[in-house]
Amino acid sequence: EVQLVESGGGLVKPGGSLRLSCASSGLSLNNAWMSWVRQAPGKGLEWVGRIKSNSDGGTTDFAAPVKGRFTISKDGSKNTLYLQMNSLKTEDTAVYYCTTDHLYCSGNCYRYFDNWGQGTLVTVSS
Amino acid sequence: DIQMTQSPSSLSASVGDRVAITCRAGQSVSAFLNWYQQKPGKAPKLLIYAASSLASGVPSRFSGSGSGTDFTLTISSLQPEDFATYHCQQTSNTPWTFGQGTKVEIK
Repeated sequence: EVQLVESGGGLVKPGGSLRLSCASSGLSLNNAWMSWVRQAPGKGLEWVGRIKSNSDGGTTDFAAPVKGRFTISKDGSKNTLYLQMNSLKTEDTAVYYCTTDHLYCSGNCYRYFDNWGQGTLVTVSS
Repeated sequence: DIQMTQSPSSLSASVGDRVAITCRAGQSVSAFLNWYQQKPGKAPKLLIYAASSLASGVPSRFSGSGSGTDFTLTISSLQPEDFATYHCQQTSNTPWTFGQGTKVEIK
């Protein structure tokens, strides 16, 4: 069974930085595509960014609102995913989830998020 | 970015009702469409992937249909544990985008 546990959320001032962690058990992060998804209070889900598996290059992609401010990395020895958030804005306030970005192929190949962490709350406020 | 629009934004229904939620994409996403269920204070849970494939462990009262731009999530007989918010998501083009969510409440 895959378990993802996020940590690192908290209160930070605008312009500040925060690093979120997502510890994985039951799944090697080196072999998985992983995404971060956030949800502002009372709002819908927003994809933040992803990191590909090592065999697919380990590259990252980001949504426009966070591009240039957020980075994603992973530590294979700790089996932990990270989201480094810099130059934080009040609109970054949200619960942040890490999730497995799973590929299923049957004719076409389809992506979906099948394992989610419990989320960690980031509040950006002065 | 591909905009995803769900309707209705909320609905009230009774146990045993048949419920349908629609999701419209701003451009064709073929069958690259997923549905998630989210309960208050919890992470989303995958229900349907590839527009109509039931995720593992999901009851058969849930079904998905559609392709291109118009999709539907149907609950054939609403159960007490189904009261939640439902989200659609396209994975045709990055950035992956979600609908705004549909909240299913008890009538």
